[in-house]
Amino acid sequence: DGGITQSPKYLFRKEGQNVTLSCEQNLNHDAMYWYRQDPGQGLRLIYYSQIVNDFQKGDIAEGYSVSREKKESFPLTVTSAQKNPTAFYLCASKVIAVTGELFFGEGSRLTVL
Amino acid sequence: EDKVVQSPLSLVVHEGDTVTLNCSYEVTNFRSLLWYKQEKKAPTFLFMLTSSGIEKKSGRLSSILDKKELSSILNITATQTGDSAIYLCAGYNAGNMLTFGGGTRLMVKP
Repeated sequence: DGGITQSPKYLFRKEGQNVTLSCEQNLNHDAMYWYRQDPGQGLRLIYYSQIVNDFQKGDIAEGYSVSREKKESFPLTVTSAQKNPTAFYLCASKVIAVTGELFFGEGSRLTVL
Repeated sequence: EDKVVQSPLSLVVHEGDTVTLNCSYEVTNFRSLLWYKQEKKAPTFLFMLTSSGIEKKSGRLSSILDKKELSSILNITATQTGDSAIYLCAGYNAGNMLTFGGGTRLMVKP
């Protein structure tokens, strides 16, 4: 079955540590996105990528980094520079240049201790 | 900067009630609006609306877009406890970028 796989589902981190969240898709989508969701709130865009080896900052990119070395993979690193990293992180993908459905992974919940 | 606002922020109803969720948008060169339901993890797609005045319907859920008023509504009739979720709307601009609203949290009590 085609879809988006995020891992880990739950992650605990000590302050000052970098962590990397994995996102893999087998939908053959060119565009991939990372969103952050805080409790009871909507989705805010962190980074997006429309092609391999290229990505752009979203609205809240500070303290995060990404890479896009393969079409299928778009990992997100939450760095120690992110002041309030505890949140739910969602990865998504879609067909490029189409204003259509955005497909989501199951999410990764990061808690900083 | 594009902006999408949803109201109410939260809503508590009883099974069998009908609810209307609102979404207003200020999106540069607006293209389309999407509705999602999020229960626990991944949002699931409900509707995409591009034309004003044309209702999209799926079972007890329906949605309509009003381009003149820059808004959309999502109606749920005969609500069930399984409808409890966060409902998200999002608008696409001409650059193919999607802006999400803050969501409406719906709780349906038995």
